[in-house]
Amino acid sequence: EDKVVQSPLSLVVHEGDTVTLNCSYEVTNFRSLLWYKQEKKAPTFLFMLTSSGIEKKSGRLSSILDKKELFSILNITATQTGDSAIYLCAVVEWGGAQKLVFGQGTRLTINP
Amino acid sequence: GAVVSQHPSRVICKSGTSVKIECRSLDFQATTMFWYRQFPKKSLMLMATSNEGSKATYEQGVEKDKFLINHASLTLSTLTVTSAHPEDSSFYICSARGSGRDNEKLFFGSGTQLSVL
Repeated sequence: EDKVVQSPLSLVVHEGDTVTLNCSYEVTNFRSLLWYKQEKKAPTFLFMLTSSGIEKKSGRLSSILDKKELFSILNITATQTGDSAIYLCAVVEWGGAQKLVFGQGTRLTINP
Repeated sequence: GAVVSQHPSRVICKSGTSVKIECRSLDFQATTMFWYRQFPKKSLMLMATSNEGSKATYEQGVEKDKFLINHASLTLSTLTVTSAHPEDSSFYICSARGSGRDNEKLFFGSGTQLSVL
């Protein structure tokens, strides 16, 4: 059965720290991996990764994919309290409805 | 970017009643929409895939007669929770696949918190 596993499930750090969130996956026909940030309601899109080794970057956030080892990491540097959220990783397969299969999420809390 | 509107944001109903939730893509056409359910502190669980003009595809364990999905146009999908019971209380969120270069991304509605008394 396809699955997406995120770790850690919960993380509490101080403002200014750097965090690394992990996402490993086992799917039959991998197409892409997406990261979302969910604060109160709707998840908002962060990154989409399709190729190994190419870092995507947006401000203090960056992400990279390893298709050989089947995982992705999301890095956040110089964390701020506004980074507190649930970070969701999802994988899309080729074919069919291309539905997203989500991991359990990582609940990140940034303390001032 | 693509905008998905979901209404209502919150609904409280009595046990046995039916509740309809609407999901609209505002600035793009969405041939495929997805309905998710999320329990507190848990991830998103896919309930069904809604295809414009055809029957929805339900995930294993989701009762299609309980959760009616209609996708009558390219911009609107509805989820009706029929004969709601307290165990149906949850956060329901819809999403739509983007178009063009965004067609591998999902854009989410703001969700509906359903409370069944």
